[in-house]
Amino acid sequence: QKEVEQNSGPLSVPEGAIASLNCTYSDRGSQSFFWYRQYSGKSPELIMFIYSNGDKEDGRFTAQLNKASQYVSLLIRDSQPSDSATYLCAVNGGRAGGSYIPTFGRGTSLIVHP
Amino acid sequence: DVKVTQSSRYLVKRTGEKVFLECVQDMDHENMFWYRQDPGLGLRLIYFSYDVKMKEKGDIPEGYSVSREKKERFSLILESASTNQTSMYLCASRLGPSYGYTFGSGTRLTVV
Repeated sequence: QKEVEQNSGPLSVPEGAIASLNCTYSDRGSQSFFWYRQYSGKSPELIMFIYSNGDKEDGRFTAQLNKASQYVSLLIRDSQPSDSATYLCAVNGGRAGGSYIPTFGRGTSLIVHP
Repeated sequence: DVKVTQSSRYLVKRTGEKVFLECVQDMDHENMFWYRQDPGLGLRLIYFSYDVKMKEKGDIPEGYSVSREKKERFSLILESASTNQTSMYLCASRLGPSYGYTFGSGTRLTVV
């Protein structure tokens, strides 16, 4: 059973701080890693993806991947109250028939307070 | 901008009714998916389709079926709605196996 673990939170950070969201996964063969943001009552929205070890930056967001340690993280710099949401980690593994279906974590709730 | 459209935002149905949830994408994506999302349980995959007329069971297919007659449309069918199928239903599509999802806005279904 492939597993993706996230701390449910809530993670509370002050405005302007760095928010660090972490995710661990069990399938060593995983190839693709995604972060989705989900506002309350809304559907998830893809914000970052990463395939290779190391860091990938996009604006205030940085995704970090360490395949040896089987974790992926999302850093949000200069956090804003509008970043308050649940962040879902998703990891693509293999499946019978070659259809790579992501396993989702249950999400970490982030609260950015003014 | 790419778009996944779910036909209804809110639905209320009676126990035993046959329910159709429609999803249309305009991105020429190969793969389409149906999930349900419940508090504390996260996203659970019901069915997916990696091509027209193809379908595969996800983790919780019981009580559901799907249809994909055209590339852009993926329908979820609740054969005989039950109260434990009250949930938020999310449709998603993606270009291919290594890509992320674009989700629709969701359908909140209540079965009474």
